Amino acid sequence: VVMTQSPLSLPVTLGQPASISCRSSQSLVHSDGNTYLTWFQQRPGQSPRRLIYEVSNRDSGVPDRFSGSGSGTGFTLKISRVEAEDVGVYYCMQGSHWPLTFGQGTKLEI
Amino acid sequence: QVQLVQSGAEVKKPGSSVKVSCRASGYTFSSYNYYITWVRQAPGQGLEWMGGLIPMVGTPSYAQKFQGRVTIAADISTSTAYVELNSLRSEDTAVYYCGRCDAVGPCWYGMDVWGQGTTVTVSS
Repeated sequence: VVMTQSPLSLPVTLGQPASISCRSSQSLVHSDGNTYLTWFQQRPGQSPRRLIYEVSNRDSGVPDRFSGSGSGTGFTLKISRVEAEDVGVYYCMQGSHWPLTFGQGTKLEI
Repeated sequence: QVQLVQSGAEVKKPGSSVKVSCRASGYTFSSYNYYITWVRQAPGQGLEWMGGLIPMVGTPSYAQKFQGRVTIAADISTSTAYVELNSLRSEDTAVYYCGRCDAVGPCWYGMDVWGQGTTVTVSS
């Protein structure tokens, strides 16, 4: 499954919203009826960190300004008000079909 | 707390092999509930899944791209997972990460814990 993110680069203003799109080459609805789409954040020089799993479930400790939505083949990560610490690269990953595949990444910069 | 600690940076010649380790702590490594996966990131590039396994089961799965050139294994007695890549070429220069997933799927929910990464440089 090919995961395609857009944009690849996202200049944003502090305090403003940001939105990243992730599209899959086939539906991510698993045979069990669930959709396994995960979002990761990778800050400069750090390992990736999981933000959201199963489309819209935020990890513990992730600020509520981050939200995930979507279904089928189209998904979105939204940041309601960008803060300086949000700078980095964001990746979507699908787990519905083997093998696991990642999007190319979207670089968020202030 | 749950941690994955990887071995240090490596510099290798083309054609040689590299073995990177990932030591787990803070949870039961031998549980059937967890899957250890390996992901690499070439300089300035995105994330690429290589393969993984449930340590207690020991049967690895590999991405087709790496089949025949990669070996993933685990040692329950030391709570350590390994990835070994053979016939190295310059394109294998990357940061190699281990990550923990739920065994369900596996990795339906992605990696909830990541190692710090190991830089492997392949150069003559």
